Amino acid sequence: EVQLVESGGGLVKPGGSLRLSCGASGFTFSNAWMSWVRQAPGKGLEWVGRIKSKSDDGTTLYAAPVKGRFTISRDDSENTLYLQMNSLKTEDTAVYYCTTHRTGYFQHWGQGTLVTVSS
Amino acid sequence: DIQMTQSPSTLSASVGDRVTITCRASQSISSWLAWYQQKPGKAPKFLIYKASSLESGVPSRFSGSGSGTEFTLTINSLQPDDFATYYCQQYTSYPGTFGQGTKVEIK
Repeated sequence: EVQLVESGGGLVKPGGSLRLSCGASGFTFSNAWMSWVRQAPGKGLEWVGRIKSKSDDGTTLYAAPVKGRFTISRDDSENTLYLQMNSLKTEDTAVYYCTTHRTGYFQHWGQGTLVTVSS
Repeated sequence: DIQMTQSPSTLSASVGDRVTITCRASQSISSWLAWYQQKPGKAPKFLIYKASSLESGVPSRFSGSGSGTEFTLTINSLQPDDFATYYCQQYTSYPGTFGQGTKVEIK
């Protein structure tokens, strides 16, 4: 059974940083493309960014609102996905979901971790 | 970016009803469309890909159709477990944009 477990969320001040982690199990993580998707309180879903598998060159791609501030990385030896978030803004407040990224859609989702950016 | 528009925003229905949700794309996305179900406080659940292909384990009362710019999600014989918010998502190009959601509530 595929399991994705996010951690690392919390309260951070505007301009601060936070790193989210996502532990994966139940599938061959090293072969998987992965994405982060977020959902602001009471709002819809927004794709944040994705990382390819290393065998597919391991490159990343980001949504415009987070480009240059967020960085996705992966540790295939630990089956873990990361989201480094810098220069956080109040509008980054959201639940962040780790997902498997399969030809563009999001097949498996973690339970999410809440990030609150507030002074 | 491709804009996805769902209608209606809210739908009131009863158990046993047949419900249809529409999703329109601002430009053609061929059949590169997915549907998700989300219940309050929970992560979205993936239902359908390529507009009409049902994910393994999803009940057959769910079906999807359409291509180009207009798509539908149909739930035949609505069950108590189906009251939730549904999102469409295009994946023909980055960013993979979502519709704003359709809440299916109990009448």
